[in-house]
Amino acid sequence: DAGITQSPRHKVTETGTPVTLRCHQTENHRYMYWYRQDPGHGLRLIHYSYGVKDTDKGEVSDGYSVSRSKTEDFLLTLESATSSQTSVYFCAINPSASSYNEQFFGPGTRLTVL
Amino acid sequence: AQSVTQLGSHVSVSEGALVLLRCNYSSSVPPYLFWYVQYPNQGLQLLLKYTSAATLVKGINGFEAEFKKSETSFHLTKPSAHMSDAAEYFCAAQIQGAQKLVFGQGTRLTINP
Repeated sequence: DAGITQSPRHKVTETGTPVTLRCHQTENHRYMYWYRQDPGHGLRLIHYSYGVKDTDKGEVSDGYSVSRSKTEDFLLTLESATSSQTSVYFCAINPSASSYNEQFFGPGTRLTVL
Repeated sequence: AQSVTQLGSHVSVSEGALVLLRCNYSSSVPPYLFWYVQYPNQGLQLLLKYTSAATLVKGINGFEAEFKKSETSFHLTKPSAHMSDAAEYFCAAQIQGAQKLVFGQGTRLTINP
């Protein structure tokens, strides 16, 4: 158990509303990641963080922002949700101090934008 | 850019038969490679990883994968499928020095009784 929780686990919202998803870890690992999972696309990286206030974009970052004010929390915000952002969102951490990026995943958040 | 291709979005095998899930990567420099499994309504769980130490890698639940540089492949196998192996499997690659993974599209494995 990598000690990763995500909240909420399910959310239904309307187009144009802001949405924030939270990822929380208990082990103070440096690297944290947000992915979205869609059929036929596998997992695609949205944003990642390599420390407090240190974040970078992934391959599908448009329409998303992130914040990391504490080591244990990594927030993903959809400023104005669109139907194309309906997806399952996964948070992951890399607990390894080595050079390879073995990631551990949270349980996911299913987001539906109507 | 690094890419990962999984051949076959759906694979169906009989219980007790060989499982073979295919993964190819694109980079000229061999990356680190990973296989993950996802059971319904759950997150991803690491099955095994290749980090240059050995080309044949053994993982959990009887799975193994072989890294073949000449074929740029990292196929996942299991000699005898079990009903509990039904899940979606993802191959992922990390360019050495980068702290990011690139995932394949996933392969859904169905086990027939």
